[in-house]
Amino acid sequence: NAGVTQTPKFQVLKTGQSMTLQCAQDMNHNSMYWYRQDPGMGLRLIYYSASEGTTDKGEVPNGYNVSRLNKREFSLRLESAAPSQTSVYFCASSARDLYEQYFGPGTRLTVT
Amino acid sequence: KNQVEQSPQSLIILEGKNCTLQCNYTVSPFSNLRWYKQDTGRGPVSLTIMTFSENTKSNGRYTATLDADTKQSSLHITASQLSDSASYICVVISYQAGTALIFGKGTTLSVSS
Repeated sequence: NAGVTQTPKFQVLKTGQSMTLQCAQDMNHNSMYWYRQDPGMGLRLIYYSASEGTTDKGEVPNGYNVSRLNKREFSLRLESAAPSQTSVYFCASSARDLYEQYFGPGTRLTVT
Repeated sequence: KNQVEQSPQSLIILEGKNCTLQCNYTVSPFSNLRWYKQDTGRGPVSLTIMTFSENTKSNGRYTATLDADTKQSSLHITASQLSDSASYICVVISYQAGTALIFGKGTTLSVSS
């Protein structure tokens, strides 16, 4: 069991470029989440998917889009990256919405 | 406003010593409270999950307490080890519409030899 995997681990973008962060889980979990973590701040929820086929906005959704591709995969897209999106992004999954969450290793994104 | 406040912000202790981390919350309605450990460069890992009716829960050398009346929780680490050096995050879950997971900013613990 790999748990929750994220790709890439590191990424540097120029302002205005786009990219997609990939997340996959092999625990047959129904719910998946995307967070960002910035220095001195707690984890903040960007988007979540309570179950396959549904997605909802979290606390800081502006500038992001998501796709729940299937039960295993949940991707996060930055359409036009901005320096304010420099952060560490974590994907997480849980058996059901708000149950215990399992986190991936994170993606470190720098936007110059 | 739903908030989770953790103290201290950072802490340095000697290997083998005990320490206690605090978490105060103003979240309502309250469902459960979780403590996570986050090693540098890694994702958070769950330590304990406590519901409204639970006062104490242990996971090895980690013991969490919850006082739902005063809206306070603590995480006690016994006989600290170098591997305990990490950030400890308190999360309060509220089953209501909107954002239901409220994260604290974490306490950074450094254990030195």
